[in-house]
Amino acid sequence: GAGVSQTPSNKVTEKGKYVELRCDPISGHTALYWYRQSLGQGPEFLIYFQGTGAADDSGLPNDRFFAVRPEGSVSTLKIQRTERGDSAVYLCASSPGLAISTDTQYFGPGTRLTVL
Amino acid sequence: KQEVTQIPAALSVPEGENLVLNCSFTDSAIYNLQWFRQDPGKGLTSLLLIQSSQREQTSGRLNASLDKSSGRSTLYIAASQPGDSATYLCALAGARGGADGLTFGKGTHLIIQP
Repeated sequence: GAGVSQTPSNKVTEKGKYVELRCDPISGHTALYWYRQSLGQGPEFLIYFQGTGAADDSGLPNDRFFAVRPEGSVSTLKIQRTERGDSAVYLCASSPGLAISTDTQYFGPGTRLTVL
Repeated sequence: KQEVTQIPAALSVPEGENLVLNCSFTDSAIYNLQWFRQDPGKGLTSLLLIQSSQREQTSGRLNASLDKSSGRSTLYIAASQPGDSATYLCALAGARGGADGLTFGKGTHLIIQP
């Protein structure tokens, strides 16, 4: 079956602009995660959805970042007034949402965001 | 706050060698520990997941161990092949504080020379 997909694969924008990054999880997965990975670093947790609600948004760096998952499937990460420091690869992952101890997270290929 | 350290940061070995990648963590209150592989320009692929109550997991040429009391995990790769070249990431699902996202190390960049 299809894995996690993310669009666009690359996004170049100018400082101060607004961007939206999309994630399509594996069908039937109730848990969805967003991470951000800077060059030479491991992914950093941003936000976790269980169904439609954000169960944990403690990783969002500031109020310029917002994410939604209105129907419990596709999610959109929104970044307002982009800054050069926002440049990174944004990864999305999904999991069955059955049990934290055994659930494997399946990652998408990521969106590479470059803010000029 | 959970901190994850991976040693070495980079490793280059000839094909056929057995090798060990190390991961250490500061908070033993975890649900599980996972090892991922990341190829350039691609997402992460889960290799092995060890639950908190388990000591090790095996898949093919890979074996991962977990020692919660000492805050360590190792990934053993037997008979390495050039196709094993990738970045290997260790990640933990924390049981403290309610956060359900994974905490990752910076990874070990592995090169297997043909």
